[in-house]
Amino acid sequence: QVQLVQSGAEVKKPGASVKVSCKASGYTFTNYNISWVRQAPGQGLEWMGWISAYNGSTNYAQNLQGRVTMTTDTSTSTAYMELRSLRSDDTAVYYCGRDKFGGYDEFIDYWGQGTLVTVSS
Amino acid sequence: SYVLTQPPAVSVAPGQTARITCGGNNIGSKSVHWYQQKPGQAPVLVVYDDSDRPSGIPERFSGSNSGNTATLTISRVEAGDEADYYCQVWDSSSDHRVFGTGTKVTVL
Repeated sequence: QVQLVQSGAEVKKPGASVKVSCKASGYTFTNYNISWVRQAPGQGLEWMGWISAYNGSTNYAQNLQGRVTMTTDTSTSTAYMELRSLRSDDTAVYYCGRDKFGGYDEFIDYWGQGTLVTVSS
Repeated sequence: SYVLTQPPAVSVAPGQTARITCGGNNIGSKSVHWYQQKPGQAPVLVVYDDSDRPSGIPERFSGSNSGNTATLTISRVEAGDEADYYCQVWDSSSDHRVFGTGTKVTVL
């Protein structure tokens, strides 16, 4: 069965960086993109970007360009999302998800359990 | 950037039908996906490509999309359907994905 298991909760100070991992199992890792989505407390879902596990190409949300880097390690079937220069409004639950291509575009068919990142001085 | 607008809340009695709308400019030309999120849990895909259901999702969940509005319909609503629901599309002009503002469904 497809599983995405994320790393544990993090507490960071403003200006620091965080790196969240997402270990995939139950499918061929390089056949699918991985997306990252975050959700601030009490707020809606915000798409952050995706990475191709096949060739490492990326597509980042405009508001995160320059602060976010998504990578993969195909030897361990793990995706990573690093966010730099953290601010208080980066406090959120961060989710990874497996992208599946439908008839027109991609959607997330499996989600990780989420990782809470708290940014506080 | 492309904006998807959902009503903040929908209330429905058990056994009745809930309709959750997702408004966007010419959304009928896009493929719409819907996610259900219960408190403290990760989202779950309930409808993709406007009206298809993943395996394991009850037939009570259905979707439609035309003009400027996409709709997720939950028939014969159960207490377990109480959750937040989000629509999502791909904006081809920016090559970015967009989520709707979310709708909280309350079962009375």
